[in-house]
Amino acid sequence: EVQLVESGGGLVKPGGSLRLSCAASGFTFSSYNLNWVRQAPGKGLEWVSFISYNGNYISYADSVKGRFTISRDNAKNSLYLQMNSLRAEDTAVYYCARERDTGLFDPWGQGTLVTVSS
Amino acid sequence: EIVMTQSPATLSVSPGERATLSCRASQSVSSNLAWYQHKPGQAPRLLIYGASTRATGIPARFSGSGSGAEFTLTISSLQSEDFAVYYCQQYNNWPPFTFGQGTKLEIK
Repeated sequence: EVQLVESGGGLVKPGGSLRLSCAASGFTFSSYNLNWVRQAPGKGLEWVSFISYNGNYISYADSVKGRFTISRDNAKNSLYLQMNSLRAEDTAVYYCARERDTGLFDPWGQGTLVTVSS
Repeated sequence: EIVMTQSPATLSVSPGERATLSCRASQSVSSNLAWYQHKPGQAPRLLIYGASTRATGIPARFSGSGSGAEFTLTISSLQSEDFAVYYCQQYNNWPPFTFGQGTKLEIK
């Protein structure tokens, strides 16, 4: 069974940092592009970042560019999101999602909650 | 950036009836349009891609149509498990991938 499990969320003060992880299983991790998508409280889904299967191509939403860094370790079947200079508006549930094909997110993990508050 | 607009924001429908959800793109996305279902506390689920192709395991009561900038998701004969929030998403021009703001399908 294909599975994605996020971890690393929590409460952090504005300006602080947090590193999210996404552990994958049930598929050949190194063959798939991956993404982070978030959902702020009461809001819709917002794409955050993309990383290609080999890590050679990376892209970010303008709202996080320069503050967030996506990476992956294909040997550990893991995806990461390093989040620095966090703001209140970064408060959200963060989901990792595999791309079954360009831009098609399937499946998604259950998400991890990040709360940025003083 | 392509802006996706969904309507209505909330749709109240009785079980067994038909639901029609709309999605409009600010410019053509060809047929590169997906629909996702999202229930509280769960992972979003891919329902439709290519505007009209059902993903694996998705019941036939879900159907998608449209191309260019106007799309529709139709759920015939609503079941209790279908009440959720539905998002459209374009993957024609990226980055960024963009989602609509969602339509909440609630029980009437």
